[in-house]
Amino acid sequence: DVKVTQSSRYLVKRTGEKVFLECVQDMDHENMFWYRQDPGLGLRLIYFSYDVKMKEKGDIPEGYSVSREKKERFSLILESASTNQTSMYLCASTPTVATGRDTEAFFGQGTRLTVV
Amino acid sequence: AQSVTQPDIHITVSEGASLELRCNYSYGATPYLFWYVQSPGQGLQLLLKYFSGDTLVQGIKGFEAEFKRSQSSFNLRKPSVHWSDAAEYFCAVGLNYGGATNKLIFGTGTLLAVQP
Repeated sequence: DVKVTQSSRYLVKRTGEKVFLECVQDMDHENMFWYRQDPGLGLRLIYFSYDVKMKEKGDIPEGYSVSREKKERFSLILESASTNQTSMYLCASTPTVATGRDTEAFFGQGTRLTVV
Repeated sequence: AQSVTQPDIHITVSEGASLELRCNYSYGATPYLFWYVQSPGQGLQLLLKYFSGDTLVQGIKGFEAEFKRSQSSFNLRKPSVHWSDAAEYFCAVGLNYGGATNKLIFGTGTLLAVQP
């Protein structure tokens, strides 16, 4: 079974702290993603990576950065946490396939981050 | 810009009744379309996907969806809803990036409640 594992289910951090959210996948997928999920807004893409050391901004990258030093691990970094970053964070991975071939995204269980 | 619209935020149906959840997308190329379900406290699970071919797609848990290019729609249906179907449902479109289908844009979700 494909497994995407997020290091924490629940996290409480203080305003101004540097926060690391870790995600590991065990299926040798090239692509990894970080989304945040908020009620009424669905899932919004923060950053994604299609290769080691490569990253691309998603729709809401402000206040976040990412790191991908190894293929299986994709970290989301909140440089200075703020209360408006309180949210559910979801990591996902997909393989790279030729256009038209079957693929899907596999998600982790999510990390519910509260910034106080 | 690419987008996915789920016009119904909340839907309540009686157990045993039929269900249709609406999804419209905006994307210039041939879309890859997905429906995911998220039960309370759980991660996202893929219900079904459309890549090409038959426009009526069968998924897990008795769900199906029909791709209608002329209407830019991919509505999810189930003939008889069970109480365990109460969850949040997300429609997503897969975007080509770098020649591979590996970036998902999600709708805002539809929360389904099932009455006994």
